[in-house]
Amino acid sequence: SQTIHQWPATLVQPVGSPLSLECTVEGTSNPNLYWYRQAAGRGLQLLFYSVGIGQISSEVPQNLSASRPQDRQFILSSKKLLLSDSGFYLCAWSVSWDGVSQYFGPGTRLLVL
Amino acid sequence: GESVGLHLPTLSVQEGDNSIINCAYSNSASDYFIWYKQESGKGPQFIIDIRSNMDKRQGQRVTVLLNKTVKHLSLQIAATQPGDSAVYFCAEKETSGSRLTFGEGTQLTVNP
Repeated sequence: SQTIHQWPATLVQPVGSPLSLECTVEGTSNPNLYWYRQAAGRGLQLLFYSVGIGQISSEVPQNLSASRPQDRQFILSSKKLLLSDSGFYLCAWSVSWDGVSQYFGPGTRLLVL
Repeated sequence: GESVGLHLPTLSVQEGDNSIINCAYSNSASDYFIWYKQESGKGPQFIIDIRSNMDKRQGQRVTVLLNKTVKHLSLQIAATQPGDSAVYFCAEKETSGSRLTFGEGTQLTVNP
């Protein structure tokens, strides 16, 4: 069966510091991968998605970036965090040929102070 | 009890009652819809999906209804249990692409 991992689970970072969140998927090949951000009590905002290694589509202009160095690894990064980057970051995957049902990881809660 | 997901973000029901969570969508090009359940501090969990060529689909204790005429989607939970307490999101996808658009969510609270 497929599993999706995210780490760290929680993170407290000062404004201006760098960020690296990692997501890995097991049990599937060539998945579509997604990064979402969720503000408290709100819906999910799609940040990036990837249909293959090195292929990244950005949905929202911001100071975040994403990379996919391996088939089942998706990384969310920032060079300098802003207060507004605080939130709950979720990684998701879907079957590449279908791309409909997305399955989410446990999330990373980021607090920028 | 019933709620309109986009206008009444909270729904409170008694244990054992049936719950109905509603979602309105605006994109007539959407052909696939999903309901997710998100417990506090966790990632969304897939519940049930439905394609636009269907108007009803049933799962274990859950039923999704789709009315394309009025662009309305609902999730019915039978015999609601305390473990059903969570935020429920609807999501839609256009015919082309793999991007999901999520609604704002409805907080379901089940009272014992």
